[in-house]
Amino acid sequence: GAVVSQHPSRVICKSGTSVKIECRSLDFQATTMFWYRQFPKKSLMLMATSNEGSKATYEQGVEKDKFLINHASLTLSTLTVTSAHPEDSSFYICSARDLRLGTSSYNEQFFGPGTRLTVL
Amino acid sequence: AQKITQTQPGMFVQEKEAVTLDCTYDTSDQSYGLFWYKQPSSGEMIFLIYQGSYDEQNATEGRYSLNFQKARKSANLVISASQLGDSAMYFCAMRANDYKLSFGAGTTVTVRA
Repeated sequence: GAVVSQHPSRVICKSGTSVKIECRSLDFQATTMFWYRQFPKKSLMLMATSNEGSKATYEQGVEKDKFLINHASLTLSTLTVTSAHPEDSSFYICSARDLRLGTSSYNEQFFGPGTRLTVL
Repeated sequence: AQKITQTQPGMFVQEKEAVTLDCTYDTSDQSYGLFWYKQPSSGEMIFLIYQGSYDEQNATEGRYSLNFQKARKSANLVISASQLGDSAMYFCAMRANDYKLSFGAGTTVTVRA
């Protein structure tokens, strides 16, 4: 199977601080990862596409200076929420696209367990 | 642009009965994929079933089956023999040519004993 981890699973921070969330593909390399945001009882909203070795592409309405994405290696993408405010409190989920040719999971997205961010 | 519509915000089902969750979609792409995910209260997204736009047969995975009606642009999920552990939020999603997933609003299913 394809396993994606996220760290931390839960974080509480003070307003004005920055928070970094990690997304790792544990048993496959992922040149493309996706970051989603989810409010309680609501749908997942795609924030950005993280591309290894190049800049992330952000969806319309997502502040790129607010949500910094770095895809430094084939197994790790990070989302940094800069100068966090209470309205940034949300559930953040990443997914990784499996590009292993010849596998049944080729091109499928596998989700991390999510990170719950609370900004006080 | 892709759009996924789930019109049922919440549903109740009796244990051991079947339940159908509605999903309609809109896309101009000829090739696309349709997914159903389960999200329990823990928040993890659990993949349930996949249907490709060119698949002629409806997908089935254990107690899950997808009723794919391409002309009507619908991809309803049927859960048979409901169990208490099926209580969760269910999302329909579509993958377009750019591999991005678009999600519906979700349906909360509550299974009653």
